Amino acid sequence: NAGVTQTPKFQVLKTGQSMTLQCAQDMNHNSMYWYRQDPGMGLRLIYYSASEGTTDKGEVPNGYNVSRLNKREFSLRLESAAPSQTSVYFCASSEARDPGEKLFFGSGTQLSVL
Amino acid sequence: AQRVTQPEKLLSVFKGAPVELKCNYSYSGSPELFWYVQYSRQRLQLLLRHISRESIKGFTADLNKGETSFHLKKPFAQEEDSAMYYCALGGFNKFYFGSGTKLNVKP
Repeated sequence: NAGVTQTPKFQVLKTGQSMTLQCAQDMNHNSMYWYRQDPGMGLRLIYYSASEGTTDKGEVPNGYNVSRLNKREFSLRLESAAPSQTSVYFCASSEARDPGEKLFFGSGTQLSVL
Repeated sequence: AQRVTQPEKLLSVFKGAPVELKCNYSYSGSPELFWYVQYSRQRLQLLLRHISRESIKGFTADLNKGETSFHLKKPFAQEEDSAMYYCALGGFNKFYFGSGTKLNVKP
């Protein structure tokens, strides 16, 4: 019962470095999401993918890129990391067949940008 | 614009006391509303959703369209209810979360 798997769990970057956060789900879900969680701000949607081959911007997409590699995998890339991107990142998925569908979350990636 | 407001960052109650976590929303259409919970060292998980009108772990939430609210309630808090609670709005690939309320249930 893996569900949604994120790697890595922790990462420290220097300003200007790049990295990719990986996410995979084994529930055959159509939709996948990337959120960031910041104190006092809650969860904010960065990007989402409604289906394989499609991606769309969320509330805070600047500084990020995504790739929906296949139905299972949805990666988030920081091309040039900035201290403002220090956050906890969550990947999620859902079937998205109707508005009441719930989200399944990964365990999160704690990212620090120095 | 869609918006979810949770006015309380921290709520502390004693075990056995009633709990109400507030959530207000703004949405131009017919909303779908959810409560998610994050226990210490666990991943975020769905607690309940408006569409199914279920009661999970003794928690309930009623959608009040007139007041645009979806407050989470429990008549008798337990220590294991201590967690971070997020109200969320939407569905169909667009979920908007509030800033969260940390519930601390004291023995």
